[in-house]
Parts: sequence; structure tokens; C-alpha cells
Amino acid sequence: EAGVAQSPRYKIIEKRQSVAFWCNPISGHATLYWYQQILGQGPKLLIQFQNNGVVDDSQLPKDRFSAERLKGVDSTLKIQPAKLEDSAVYLCASRPPGTGNTGELFFGEGSRLTVL
Amino acid sequence: TQLLEQSPQFLSIQEGENLTVYCNSSSVFSSLQWYRQEPGEGPVLLVTVVTGGEVKKLKRLTFQFGDARKDSSLHITAAQPGDTGLYLCAGVEGYSTLTFGKGTMLLVSP
Repeated sequence: EAGVAQSPRYKIIEKRQSVAFWCNPISGHATLYWYQQILGQGPKLLIQFQNNGVVDDSQLPKDRFSAERLKGVDSTLKIQPAKLEDSAVYLCASRPPGTGNTGELFFGEGSRLTVL
Repeated sequence: TQLLEQSPQFLSIQEGENLTVYCNSSSVFSSLQWYRQEPGEGPVLLVTVVTGGEVKKLKRLTFQFGDARKDSSLHITAAQPGDTGLYLCAGVEGYSTLTFGKGTMLLVSP
């Protein structure tokens, strides 16, 4: 079974530029998450989707971050304009159906962003 | 918003030693998970605990969930270099989404 796919693995941009990350979850996983992991810290939830609907985006900085999952499968996270403090690894995760909040999250390898 | 405190933040030991890492909160969790993250990879689930006082064993790893469901510990017996990684606890409070602690970075030297 293929895992969660993310791209690109690495991205270096200058501040005020824009960037987009892509995630394809495990087939059949309706729940998809984007996490931000700053060096030395644990993952922080940015947004949770259930199919193509947003469940929780309370910690998403909406003035610069946006995310969509138009067809309920793959998802894109965009940052525009980027700030220095956005330097982090952006992790995508998905959860099998029927497992509720105690279900295992399956993570991708992450997209490492460096903002100069 | 629940806050999970993990300790120690960093642990460096020799192969064969035992160790315990802790995850504490003032919140009561409906469930708690432990993940391990290796450099350049995403976190991978080790265990889920849901019942207060629960103890689960995974080979040389022993996980305990506190009676009040506010804390948890992970004990590793005879650590090996392959155990090196970032150990993250993550809790669910009620119907909220999973919240992660900052993690304990473990380095096991041969």
C-alpha cells in the first residue's frame, strides 16, 4: 500500500515570495491533516479536512496561509507571502475511516521550507 | 487548549541503558498516543492508550497511562542505537483534534 505522498521535499524561497505544497493521502483516507513542525518542536496542527470540508482551521494563519482539498483526495497548502518564521517542515497526514479521534495518523515525509 | 509537557527534552545514553521519558498535562485525555520520528521522516505511531492505568508493552518499550488520564510514560529497556529518534506524545481531549507535545530527542550511542 502506498503511503502519504508529499512534494516538494525541499524548498528554499526568499521572504515575501509564495510557495505551495502538495499532498496525496493514502487511498480511502477521508481525513487529511496539515501540520507545521518547527525545528526542535512537535507538530502543530494547521488544518484538518474531512473529505473536501474543513473540520478545524483555528490555528491556520489565514492572512497568509490557505489550503484546499477540492475533490476530497489530494490537497494543496499555500503560503503567500512567506515570512522568515514560516521556515519549518510541513507534514501531511491522513487517517483511516472509522477510527475516530483515536485512530492512527499516517504521515508523509514532509516538505522542508527555508525562508531567507 | 491542552498543553502537553514532555521531559526530558534531550537524552543521550549508551547502548544497553534503560530510560524513561514523560508526558504530562493538566488536561484529561480521552486517549493518548506515542509516536517516534526519525530525521527526515514523518512520525510513526508506536501505541495508543485509552484507559486510565493502562500498561502496554511493545518488545523493549513499555507505555503507561496515568490513572487520571493526565500523564503517560515510556520506558525503554536495554536501549539500542536503532531507538534513536524524537519521541512525541499526542493527546485527544474530548472531541478535539490530536495535539502533540514538543518531544524528547533520544540519542543512543554504540
